[in-house]
Parts: sequence; C-alpha cells; structure tokens
Amino acid sequence: RKEVEQDPGPFNVPEGATVAFNCTYSNSASQSFFWYRQDCRKEPKLLMSVYSSGNEDGRFTAQLNRASQYISLLIRDSKLSDSATYLCVVDNYGQNFVFGPGTRLSVLP
Amino acid sequence: NAGVTQTPKFRILKIGQSMTLQCTQDMNHNYMYWYRQDPGMGLKLIYYSVGAGITDKGEVPNGYNVSRSTTEDFPLRLELAAPSQTSVYFCASRLGASSTDTQYFGPGTRLTVL
Repeated sequence: RKEVEQDPGPFNVPEGATVAFNCTYSNSASQSFFWYRQDCRKEPKLLMSVYSSGNEDGRFTAQLNRASQYISLLIRDSKLSDSATYLCVVDNYGQNFVFGPGTRLSVLP
Repeated sequence: NAGVTQTPKFRILKIGQSMTLQCTQDMNHNYMYWYRQDPGMGLKLIYYSVGAGITDKGEVPNGYNVSRSTTEDFPLRLELAAPSQTSVYFCASRLGASSTDTQYFGPGTRLTVL
C-alpha cells in the first residue's frame, strides 16, 4: 500500500460546480497535512494546511479524520482558474513530506 | 526576497556526462529537499538536509549526490547521466519541523538525457 493515495481522476466539472477530492494515508504517526496545487509544468504551491478541526479558506474547505486516516478537499463554485493537479501531502516525523500522486481537475466553461 | 531559485531551467545531457543542479534559498530555512517528478507522476524525494553539513537519502537517491556546506545552498550532483534520469527536478526548502512549517518550491530544472 502506498503511503499516500488519492482519487485517480481526472475530474472534469463545469464552472460553478462543487467538487471533492479524497486522500488516505497509511502512517498513523503522521503529524501534519497539506494540500498543494500544481499547475502544468510548474512547481507545487501550498493551497492550504489541514487542521484537525477542519478549516476553510474562501471556496476551499479541508477536513482531516485521524481515526480513518483520511483527508478531503472541497472546492465550491469552481472557477476555470481552479484547473490544476491537487496534491495531498503528509508530513512524517517532521523531517520530510510524502506527496500523493495528485488528482487532476479540469473546470470546463 | 527571491525565495527558492534553481539553475539551470533546462538542460540536455548526453549519457555518461555529469552536471550539478544548483539550488539557493534566501529565507534562512534549515531544511532543504530535492525531488524528481517524471511525466504524469508524483514527486519522489531524492535527498534532503536538515541543516548545513547534514544530508540524508530519500526514496530514490541512486545516481545522485548532494552537499550542504551553507544554509543557503543545496546542490544536486549527477555523476554519470542515464536516460532514466530524464525528469523535472524540484528543490524545496522549509523553515523547520513545526507542523505549521510548509515547503516552498523552486521553479524546477527540466533535464533530458539522450
């Protein structure tokens, strides 16, 4: 089993749709969690951290369930500019990040 | 504040050639990382460093070497280039190991080995 697994995608959704991505991780000792966004042929950039109580940043909501070792990202009112690959990231032991394979999102006009 | 910078942006190597990918950060971050990303795939950790003079292997270290003589610089060395090393290489840095410390990436080096 891979350390971090994500929905394989791709997700093709119309503008204005709500879309949810799922991520599971295998290491129960993982300490912190993030969602990164990667545009085509660009470097990954932090989208948001994921906190135990759940957190929201504008149209984006992240949830963490430590018992199930599950992380989610919800995007409301999708924009064309949201088209990208979304990477689930888990921090193990405070030393290095483990990146999921990513889920590609295409928002269609 | 330039963040994380990488040079070169692009490079074509012949099999057996050597090169060094440069990475510099100006944020006084302690932790630095090298990843490779093959087309359509996720990032794989090559090497990382938790401070000057300290380096450790990641998931895919074979064929690469690193050094960390200063806080700012973390060069990646390819000694005998092979076609399997064709990839995009990203350098990243992080302040420390706190749960609120995230990684910041450089723009990447696109390497082709022919």
